[in-house]
Amino acid sequence: KNEVEQSPQNLTAQEGEFITINCSYSVGISALHWLQQHPGGGIVSLFMLSSGKKKHGRLIATINIQEKHSSLHITASHPRDSAVYICAVSPNTGNQFYFGTGTSLTVIP
Amino acid sequence: NAGVMQNPRHLVRRRGQEARLRCSPMKGHSHVYWYRQLPEEGLKFMVYLQKENIIDESGMPKERFSAEFPKEGPSILRIQQVVRGDSAAYFCASSAGQTNTEAFFGQGTRLTVV
Repeated sequence: KNEVEQSPQNLTAQEGEFITINCSYSVGISALHWLQQHPGGGIVSLFMLSSGKKKHGRLIATINIQEKHSSLHITASHPRDSAVYICAVSPNTGNQFYFGTGTSLTVIP
Repeated sequence: NAGVMQNPRHLVRRRGQEARLRCSPMKGHSHVYWYRQLPEEGLKFMVYLQKENIIDESGMPKERFSAEFPKEGPSILRIQQVVRGDSAAYFCASSAGQTNTEAFFGQGTRLTVV
């Protein structure tokens, strides 16, 4: 069983739709990260969260530590948001991140 | 994250050759992590280094793979005698502290073994 589970695996949306990607984890963490990867591209860090909620432009990330769950929301989605979104956690012990397998988002014009 | 530089971006090697992947962390960062992303799979931890020290190499294959982060210069991930199964994207991340501080990722090196 993976330490980090994401859903959905694939998501197709019409431009302008509100999008939610979910992440659940099973270990104690010191922080959770949302990452973005464009096809054939590098990885961009979108958010690092340890509690509550963060907002950056059209992106919002929330975390519930008690429920071990985080969500990434995209408001007014745009085709340029098409990418793979990856949830990663920094566990309380150990030196590495654990990654989800990613959610592949396609936004259709 | 443009501050973490990986090179080359693409690397093609024949079976049996050596691959050297370089990662220059962001200025002021002394922690480097290497991850591998196999086709259709998620990112997997390989190794965590601080300057001149390997802290955690629990994700490194036991043979043919090695990593270093010298006092001067980039971190190097070295794969000897590459095989087709080594074909993957290799990402480096750096941080100022351990992973509860924000880590920045590089663009990755895509290794293709032919």
